Amino acid sequence: RKEVEQDPGPFNVPEGATVAFNCTYSNSASQSFFWYRQDCRKEPKLLMSVYSSGNEDGRFTAQLNRASQYISLLIRDSKLSDSATYLCVVSGNAGNMLTFGGGTRLMVKP
Amino acid sequence: DARVTQTPRHKVTEMGQEVTMRCQPILGHNTVFWYRQTMMQGLELLAYFRNRAPLDDSGMPKDRFSAEMPDATLATLKIQPSEPRDSAVYFCASGLVYGLFGANVLTFGAGSRLTVL
Repeated sequence: RKEVEQDPGPFNVPEGATVAFNCTYSNSASQSFFWYRQDCRKEPKLLMSVYSSGNEDGRFTAQLNRASQYISLLIRDSKLSDSATYLCVVSGNAGNMLTFGGGTRLMVKP
Repeated sequence: DARVTQTPRHKVTEMGQEVTMRCQPILGHNTVFWYRQTMMQGLELLAYFRNRAPLDDSGMPKDRFSAEMPDATLATLKIQPSEPRDSAVYFCASGLVYGLFGANVLTFGAGSRLTVL
């Protein structure tokens, strides 16, 4: 079993739709959680950190459920420019290493 | 904006040749990571340095891969000899980490796309 698992998708949604991704992690000792975004043939970039109380950044909402060991990302009013791969990232294992999920691909269509 | 610089951006080589990839982390960052990305495996951690000291390279095939950080402005990843299965995009990332469980926000370089024929 992978340490961080995501549904690879693709999720095909129309503009304006609300879409949600989930991610599960296996190490209960994990301390820090993030969502990164990766555009095609580009490097991953930090989208947002995920806090225990949940947090929002514009159209994006991230939530953490430590008891069930999953993280979610909600995108409201999706735009064409949201098309990308979204990577769930977990840290807090030995030495602060980041472990990446395989990514969920989102395609927003007109 | 401060950025992580990787060279070369693209490399095509023949099996058995030595490949060296270089990374200049962001000035002031104390942590450097090397990741490899393929379609099948996603992003895999190869090596990890903190304050230039190697902390973990368990993800790296030791017989052919080596990672070093000769100074604070340069990290290198070497493959010798290279094999077709090494074809991938290699990303370097740097960050500023505090304590054992500090926040780990990384900035990635643009990657080195390696093709081994």
